[in-house]
Amino acid sequence: DAMVIQNPRYQVTQFGKPVTLSCSQTLNHNVMYWYQQKSSQAPKLLFHYYDKDFNNEADTPDNFQSRRPNTSFCFLDIRSPGLGDAAMYLCATSTDRATNEKLFFGSGTQLSVL
Amino acid sequence: KQEVTQIPAALSVPEGENLVLNCSFTDSAIYNLQWFRQDPGKGLTSLLLIQSSQREQTSGRLNASLDKSSGRSTLYIAASQPGDSATYLCAVHMDSNYQLIWGAGTKLIIKP
Repeated sequence: DAMVIQNPRYQVTQFGKPVTLSCSQTLNHNVMYWYQQKSSQAPKLLFHYYDKDFNNEADTPDNFQSRRPNTSFCFLDIRSPGLGDAAMYLCATSTDRATNEKLFFGSGTQLSVL
Repeated sequence: KQEVTQIPAALSVPEGENLVLNCSFTDSAIYNLQWFRQDPGKGLTSLLLIQSSQREQTSGRLNASLDKSSGRSTLYIAASQPGDSATYLCAVHMDSNYQLIWGAGTKLIIKP
C-alpha cells in the first residue's frame, strides 16, 4: 500500500501558468518535505513542514510556495512556472526532523513546462 | 562545506556478479548516512541507514559499510539481478543540520 501519494503523476503546464502539486500521507508523520530533482542530479530540498511550522531553504525561489492544511496533506504551488522549473518534484515524510529518521518518498510528479 | 561524491556515475555488470558502489564525503562530522534506490521516473526508497557509531548495516543481499575517518561508505550488492538495475544515491546527515547532503548517484545496469 502506498504510504506517500503524489498527484498527479505527470503534470504539463504552460509558461507562467500557476500549478499545484499535491502530496498525501497515511503514515501520520510530523515532517513533510518537498524536493526538486532535475535529470541525473541529486534531489534539492525546497522546504519542509515540521508539523505546522514552515521552513524554507535560503535558496528556494519565491516562485515556490507550500501549504499544509492538515497532517496528511501538503501542496506545492508554483506561481509562475518557468522553463527551468521543469523537473521531478518529490514529496517525502519522516516521523521527526531528528537526524536519525528514515525518509519515505512518494513516486514523484514529473512537471513539464511548455 | 560538506560534499558527497559517488563514482562511477554509471556501472554496467553481468547478472550474478557481486558489486560495490562507492560514496565519499569531505566532512567526517556526520550523524548518519543513508543509501537510497531510485527507479527511472520514480521516487526514492530508503535501503539502509548507518548511524555514525556503526560500521555496517545489512538487509538481504545488501550490505552498507561506513568509515567516517576516511570519509567513505560502500554499498555491496551480492549476486546481482536485473531487478537491481536502478540509480543508487547516498546522502549524509550532518551533526549540525537536519538537511540531507546528497550525492548525484550511480546508475546501475545489471545485464541478463
